Parts: sequence; C-alpha cells; structure tokens
Amino acid sequence: KNEVEQSPQNLTAQEGEFITINCSYSVGISALHWLQQHPGGGIVSLFMLSSGKKKHGRLIATINIQEKHSSLHITASHPRDSAVYICAVRAGTASKLTFGTGTRLQVTL
Amino acid sequence: NAGVTQTPKFQVLKTGQSMTLQCAQDMNHNSMYWYRQDPGMGLRLIYYSASEGTTDKGEVPNGYNVSRLNKREFSLRLESAAPSQTSVYFCASSEAWIGILSSYNEQFFGPGTRLTVL
Repeated sequence: KNEVEQSPQNLTAQEGEFITINCSYSVGISALHWLQQHPGGGIVSLFMLSSGKKKHGRLIATINIQEKHSSLHITASHPRDSAVYICAVRAGTASKLTFGTGTRLQVTL
Repeated sequence: NAGVTQTPKFQVLKTGQSMTLQCAQDMNHNSMYWYRQDPGMGLRLIYYSASEGTTDKGEVPNGYNVSRLNKREFSLRLESAAPSQTSVYFCASSEAWIGILSSYNEQFFGPGTRLTVL
C-alpha cells in the first residue's frame, strides 16, 4: 500500500461545479503539501498545512490529523483549473516529501 | 526574477552516454532538490542539498551524481545513461530544508527536463 493515496485518480467536472480531491496517508505526518501540475508540466505549490484549514482564492485545503486525511476543494471551478493535483506528506522527522500519484482534473465549459 | 531554471528542456541520449542537467535558482534559497517523475508514480527524490556545500542521497540515487556548485546552482549528472533513466526530471528549491519543519519549507519547482535514453 502506498503511503499516500489520492482519490479520485481522474475527475471531470463542468465549469462552476464544486470539486473535492482527497488525500489519505498511512503514516504520522508533520506537514502536508498540495501542488498543482499544469498541462505543460510545470509544478506550483498551492498549500502547506499541518492542521486545520487554509484558503487561497477559490482553493481551500483541509486536514484531519486524527483521520490521516486531507481534502482540496475548488469552488466555482473553471477550465483553467484543469491540471494534475498532487498531495505530498512529510512523515514525522523525515528529510523528504512522499508524493501521491496525483488527481487529473478536467473542467469543461 | 526567474525562479528556478533548468536546462535543457529536452534531451535524447543513447545508452552509455553521459550528460549533466543544470539547475539554478535566484531566490537565495538554501536547499535544492532533484526529483524524477515517472508515469503512474509520484515524484521521487534523487538527491538533495540541504545547504551550500552539502549533498545527500534521496530515495533513488543509483546512477546519478550531483554537485552543489554554489548557493544558486545544483547540477545532476548521469555518468552512463540507461533506458531506466528515461523520465522527467525536476529541480526544486526551498528557503528551509524539508528536514526541518518550517513555514519556509515550500518548494519551488523548475519547468522540468524530459530525458529519453534509447
């Protein structure tokens, strides 16, 4: 079993829909990162969180440490949100991030 | 302010050839990382440099070497390329090393190098 599991693997939504992407992990973590990989391949960091909730524009990230689960929500989705969303965790005192395989999101008009 | 730059963007090698992937950042970050991304797998850490003058192995270091030339530059060398090294390579940097939990752990990624080894 991978340490970091994302669901769904693929997601298609219509413009305006509310989107949720899930990340579950099997180890105790000290931080969780959400990243966005554009169709052209570039990777951008969206959030880093260790508890609670963070919001940036239409993006909201939440984490439940007890349940070992995080969600990334996109409100009022737009075609420009089409990308691969990647969850990564820092396990305990590890000196590296462990990455999930990503959720491919396509938002259509 | 270019962020993290990588060269080349694309490269095709024959088995046994060598090459160096270049990475530079202009954000005065202390830590730099090399990852590879393969289909169906998450990004995997090859090598990292927590600070200028230090380098350490990551998860998949075999077949690679690195040099932290100065604070700005971190290169990745394939001495004798193999088809298993066909991948997309990303360089990243962060102000604080990921090994020490900090609000400055955010990693900034380069655009990637797509390498094919025939």
